[in-house]
Amino acid sequence: GQQLNQSPQSMFIQEGEDVSMNCTSSSIFNTWLWYKQEPGEGPVLLIALYKAGELTSNGRLTAQFGITRKDSFLNISASIPSDVGIYFCAGQVNTGNQFYFGTGTSLTVIP
Amino acid sequence: EAGVTQSPTHLIKTRGQQATLRCSPISGHTSVYWYQQALGLGLQFLLWYDEGEERNRGNFPPRFSGRQFPNYSSELNVNALELEDSALYLCASSDSRWRGYTFGSGTRLTVV
Repeated sequence: GQQLNQSPQSMFIQEGEDVSMNCTSSSIFNTWLWYKQEPGEGPVLLIALYKAGELTSNGRLTAQFGITRKDSFLNISASIPSDVGIYFCAGQVNTGNQFYFGTGTSLTVIP
Repeated sequence: EAGVTQSPTHLIKTRGQQATLRCSPISGHTSVYWYQQALGLGLQFLLWYDEGEERNRGNFPPRFSGRQFPNYSSELNVNALELEDSALYLCASSDSRWRGYTFGSGTRLTVV
């Protein structure tokens, strides 16, 4: 299967700081998704990206579809305690294929 | 609109037994995906069903199997349970445009 590498693996930040994480693949993807998972719950879709270079925001979250189509980035501005969770990227090679998930970035926000 | 529902929420089995996990997709979604998430690890792809057919399978032994019913709900069966099968099993569904997944809350399987 496809390998998606997320970095960093974990982050410990102070409340109010901005957060950046990224995801890289060995293959070209036509769709990138970002999910957040809280303890004991399933992942929840945050942002979907469908075009290379696309920059999409959802509140304090901004994600970008890399122009090489092999990477994607997620930024969280002015972090708050409820941002705590594991963030996963997911990529799709072609419409109609399954999504492959990254290894996750665990975010801890210190009040 | 109801989301993806999974049952049971928790399941405790002994080694060697069989486990059956169930998933109901969002109304109108025809694809169902199963993932295994062991503690502290990422999502490992198990199975993908679409329109009643198995579309793809992850790198898991044959004792992991499943099926999709005519109403698009799905069942995951794990035979001859081993201790390392203890994990959160997540089901997701998508529509025919395959533009993204919606996940359920998962079934926590504990093998003792």
